[in-house]
Amino acid sequence: AQSVSQHNHHVILSEAASLELGCNYSYGGTVNLFWYVQYPGQHLQLLLKYFSGDPLVKGIKGFEAEFIKSKFSFNLRKPSVQWSDTAEYFCAVNAPLNTGGFKTIFGAGTRLFVKA
Amino acid sequence: EAGVTQFPSHSVIEKGQTVTLRCDPISGHDNLYWYRRVMGKEIKFLLHFVKESKQDESGMPNNRFLAERTGGTYSTLKVQPAELEDSGVYFCASSQEATLVGSNEKLFFGSGTQLSVL
Repeated sequence: AQSVSQHNHHVILSEAASLELGCNYSYGGTVNLFWYVQYPGQHLQLLLKYFSGDPLVKGIKGFEAEFIKSKFSFNLRKPSVQWSDTAEYFCAVNAPLNTGGFKTIFGAGTRLFVKA
Repeated sequence: EAGVTQFPSHSVIEKGQTVTLRCDPISGHDNLYWYRRVMGKEIKFLLHFVKESKQDESGMPNNRFLAERTGGTYSTLKVQPAELEDSGVYFCASSQEATLVGSNEKLFFGSGTQLSVL
């Protein structure tokens, strides 16, 4: 069965520190990879996605993620975090179904707290 | 454009009672998904509708859970009778494409229903 593993459940950083959140998935076929973010009191929303092409994906708010197929990884990075990045981050993979649709599978989430 | 809306935002019920959660997807979105997050664990897939048809309900915990999407518009998720372990946040999400071509489609989420079973 497909699964997504996020390495850290909680991360605490000071402003301007660099961020890397780990994500590994288990699925041998073609995958589409996502990072979603949930800011306090808000809906889950898409941060960035990888579909094909350049494995280094740029997202909103200065975030980027690198797809490394050989490592089944899709780590999220940001060179310098801000207090407003405090949120919970979810790695996700879309796996195709035999019916022709797809199913999104999420990791357990990483809570990031950025100290001002 | 209205987003995905869920009702109620919170529900507190006693064990053995029935609760019905509702989700209104974005208009025109064929795909509708229900997810659940229990106590800070992963957001777990429950089931997937394409229009009014259930495509995949492999994530439904047991037969106490019943999801419907009459007419292919809004969906309801009924829990009857509710148990303590059903507590959690129930998310609904929708997306436009219903085919493999659209597998890079992102999900639009509702704000969730926090269900507490006492």
